[in-house]
Amino acid sequence: EAGVAQSPRYKIIEKRQSVAFWCNPISGHATLYWYQQILGQGPKLLIQFQNNGVVDDSQLPKDRFSAERLKGVDSTLKIQPAKLEDSAVYLCASSPRTPEDTQYFGPGTRLTVL
Amino acid sequence: AQSVTQPDIHITVSEGASLELRCNYSYGATPYLFWYVQSPGQGLQLLLKYFSGDTLVQGIKGFEAEFKRSQSSFNLRKPSVHWSDAAEYFCAVAAGGSQGNLIFGKGTKLSVKP
Repeated sequence: EAGVAQSPRYKIIEKRQSVAFWCNPISGHATLYWYQQILGQGPKLLIQFQNNGVVDDSQLPKDRFSAERLKGVDSTLKIQPAKLEDSAVYLCASSPRTPEDTQYFGPGTRLTVL
Repeated sequence: AQSVTQPDIHITVSEGASLELRCNYSYGATPYLFWYVQSPGQGLQLLLKYFSGDTLVQGIKGFEAEFKRSQSSFNLRKPSVHWSDAAEYFCAVAAGGSQGNLIFGKGTKLSVKP
């Protein structure tokens, strides 16, 4: 079974530029999560989707971050414009059906904002 | 508010020695607790989880953890460490009985001496 796929793996941009990350969850997984992991810290949930609906986006900085999950499969996370403090690893995870199921994480996208 | 504390930022143990990583949580009700491992360049992998029942939980790779409500702790243990166990370990708590809102600690980096 293929795992959670993310691209790109690395991205370097200058502040005020925009960037997008892509996530392909495990086939059949209804729930998808985006986390932000700043160096030296644990991951922090940004947004949770159940199929193509948003369950929790309370910690998403909505003035600059947006996410969508069209057709309830792939998802994209966008930052526009980026700030220096957005430098982090962005992790995507998926789980089969209910929130109680185990979350499977992708390898992450490391973003550096200069 | 829910929180997770991992008091040790970095631990070094000799190969073959026993290991205990500490985790303390703050949560009003019965928590759902998790331990994840993250190897360099890899996503997070679930080692074990506690939802209810037996307070001693067995996980993958020979790890176990014990839930102690009186101490608000969920420490991770392994009787004999292997060099391949070198990685960063994260404890997490799920709020509201749902795995969706995972709150992670800052992690403990484990180094293994030959």
